[in-house]
Amino acid sequence: AQRVTQPEKLLSVFKGAPVELKCNYSYSGSPELFWYVQYSRQRLQLLLRHISRESIKGFTADLNKGETSFHLKKPFAQEEDSAMYYCALSGAGGATNKLIFGTGTLLAVQP
Amino acid sequence: DGGITQSPKYLFRKEGQNVTLSCEQNLNHDAMYWYRQDPGQGLRLIYYSQIVNDFQKGDIAEGYSVSREKKESFPLTVTSAQKNPTAFYLCASSTAGGPNEQFFGPGTRLTVL
Repeated sequence: AQRVTQPEKLLSVFKGAPVELKCNYSYSGSPELFWYVQYSRQRLQLLLRHISRESIKGFTADLNKGETSFHLKKPFAQEEDSAMYYCALSGAGGATNKLIFGTGTLLAVQP
Repeated sequence: DGGITQSPKYLFRKEGQNVTLSCEQNLNHDAMYWYRQDPGQGLRLIYYSQIVNDFQKGDIAEGYSVSREKKESFPLTVTSAQKNPTAFYLCASSTAGGPNEQFFGPGTRLTVL
């Protein structure tokens, strides 16, 4: 079964500390992985996708097929990074945009 | 102003009543989606549509219905058969033909009294 697991409901760090939001997936084919973010009082929006290999707002995520992981990392957290982060997997083959979301991790960056 | 809109922002309904949530987009996207967001459960797909006059059930379609008569519109009806309808509902749209970025609306919070 296709599944996305985010083991941490809440991650609290201090400003300037490194951040790693964990995401593991279960998928039999070649996965497309995404990180979506929801800031307070804003819409859910795409942060980054593995195929782009970009760094967005200082965040990076590397797809590790051996460990079936797609952890989100940032070396130095900022207060404005506080938000809800969702890892998502595209499912049912490449012809559709169906997304399977994890349960989300709330990142709280303390001053 | 381009984007995806949902109305109303808050909706209250009595048990046993059907209610329809609106979702409109002017992004010229072929694909549209409805998700339900519950605390601790993330987003779960209710229905999706990849083209006008066609739609498919998602993971939790029971108690819901949709229509896609126009490219811009994808209304969701929460029927009285939905056992636990109180939730936050999100609509999204994307271009079709592959795992593309989904653009989300602001959401509708439905409360059943």
